[in-house]
Amino acid sequence: DTAVSQTPKYLVTQMGNDKSIKCEQNLGHDTMYWYKQDSKKFLKIMFSYNNKELIINETVPNRFSPKSPDKAHLNLHINSLELGDSAVYFCASSSSGPITDTQYFGPGTRLTVL
Amino acid sequence: AQSVTQLGSHVSVSEGALVLLRCNYSSSVPPYLFWYVQYPNQGLQLLLKYTTGATLVKGINGFEAEFKKSETSFHLTKPSAHMSDAAEYFCAVSHSNSGYALNFGKGTSLLVTP
Repeated sequence: DTAVSQTPKYLVTQMGNDKSIKCEQNLGHDTMYWYKQDSKKFLKIMFSYNNKELIINETVPNRFSPKSPDKAHLNLHINSLELGDSAVYFCASSSSGPITDTQYFGPGTRLTVL
Repeated sequence: AQSVTQLGSHVSVSEGALVLLRCNYSSSVPPYLFWYVQYPNQGLQLLLKYTTGATLVKGINGFEAEFKKSETSFHLTKPSAHMSDAAEYFCAVSHSNSGYALNFGKGTSLLVTP
């Protein structure tokens, strides 16, 4: 009955590879996010989708491509992985409205690029 | 644009002592303010939030925070620290003009000593 789930939890890969991280929420929310937490634990928004539409795209390299097949899923695909992509990636979801609702976070995916 | 500054990257308190974690925000519009907690190797959990209304906000696990517009602050407090409170704490701000994405502070690591 996990609210926001991510797979895989750990991902170790070589530079230059392409990988995907999947996120699913069963809360009925219509907005989903991807955040990146670096080695100093700083969290930064990457993308936000509302009803499958991209609404936030921060200054993220175009090697990162989010895809939302439906409101419950927001996957992150990364091409040509680089050492600097090593981080923990968190998915989150919330419901939209005139006053922002709580964002619920997944457990994170720790990506290590060798 | 909105941003937050957390004063003190590390705070150490004795068990039973007052916990005070500082957060100052910068926002050109009325902000929505949040405190999240992250336990080791886990995702983020909401402690409390301020959107509108009462400026003293009570959260989970005995934490509370007060929104002070004149001081642009949203400090987190707990009267008596428990060992289980040891974690990373993040202050965050959001608003509709940023798509409700959370802009996080750099975090404060709370250590509780016996």
